This record gives sequence, C-alpha cells and structure tokens, in this order.
Amino acid sequence: KAGVTQTPRYLIKTRGQQVTLSCSPISGHRSVSWYQQTPGQGLQFLFEYFSETQRNKGNFPGRFSGRQFSNSRSEMNVSTLELGDSALYLCASSLVGSGDYEQYFGPGTRLTVT
Amino acid sequence: GQQLNQSPQSMFIQEGEDVSMNCTSSSIFNTWLWYKQDPGEGPVLLIALYKAGELTSNGRLTAQFGITRKDSFLNISASIPSDVGIYFCAGPLIQGAQKLVFGQGTRLTINP
Repeated sequence: KAGVTQTPRYLIKTRGQQVTLSCSPISGHRSVSWYQQTPGQGLQFLFEYFSETQRNKGNFPGRFSGRQFSNSRSEMNVSTLELGDSALYLCASSLVGSGDYEQYFGPGTRLTVT
Repeated sequence: GQQLNQSPQSMFIQEGEDVSMNCTSSSIFNTWLWYKQDPGEGPVLLIALYKAGELTSNGRLTAQFGITRKDSFLNISASIPSDVGIYFCAGPLIQGAQKLVFGQGTRLTINP
C-alpha cells in the first residue's frame, strides 16, 4: 500500500501571500489530520477532517483552514502568511474506528516564509 | 493544556548499547503511541499501546504502557546507527478524537 503523500515537499512564499498544501491519505483511510512542526513549539495539531467535515480543531487562527474531498484527499490553506508560519506541515491519515488512534504521517511540506 | 514530557531530551550512546526513554503526563491517557522521525521526514509509527500495563515489542524496540496511565516507556536494545533520530511519544488529547498531543521528543545520537 502506498503511504501518505504530500505535495509540494518544499515551498517558499512571501509574507502576505497565501499557500495551499495537498495531502493524499493511505488508501482506505478516511480521517486526515494536519499538524504544524516547529523547533520551538514541536508538533501541534491543526485540524482533522473526516467525510469532508472538520471534526476537530486545534488552537490556530482562522488564517489556517482546510478541506477534504470525497476521495478523502485533503488540502490546507494558510492565508496572509506571516514569518512565524515557517514550519514543516505534516499530514496524517488514519482508519476510522473508535479507540483507534494510530495515525500515519506523510513526509511533510517544508514552508518557508520570507 | 495537556502536555507530554519526555526524558531525556537527548542521548549520546555507543553503538550496541541499550536505550531507555520515557514519557509522562499529568493526565491519564488511554492510548500511547511512539513515533520516530528522521531529518526531513515525517514521524513513523513504531508502537501503539492501548492497555495499562501492556508491554509490546517491535523488533529491538519494546514499549510499555505505565500502570498509572500517566506514563509510557520505550526501550531499544543493541542500538545500531539507523536508530539515530528523534523519538516522540503521543496520545489522544480527547478520548474518541483523532487529535494527538506530542511530547517534545528525545534525540538519539549514536557514536559508532
């Protein structure tokens, strides 16, 4: 089975711009979660999507948004980029099931904001 | 908010040595996950623990779910160079929600 894929792997943007990151989950996985990883804050949960609906949300400003498509692929968008948004953005997919928290991560998208 | 504290933050060992690291929380967790991350890559799931007291192995790795449900331990036996990386513990912030909280990681460095 193919793993979680994320595109692009690297991105350089300027302050004030917006960016869209893409994630394709493992085949059969219907839940997709997004995390931000920075040296200072570590891995932080952004949001989770299941059946095209946002089920859970972390403590990030409204500039961070996402969506999920009917094929479970997901995108996240960051508007009005700030320097502090520079980070590794990780997508993780999981099977749906109560009590099953095993999430499988993609390689991440390294976003640099200048 | 809930935090997971990992110890030690970094380890420098010789190849062939055994490694022990732990993760503690002020709150009870019903699931513990251990991940390894290599530079420039996403975390890879190593072991998942679902029951207090459970001991689970994956090759040279063994993880334990603490009986208090507030801690978990990861051991690596006979370390090899490819064990180098950052090890994270994680758990669901809310029971029933796919919303994981992660520890700050233990960075493992191996001298050949």
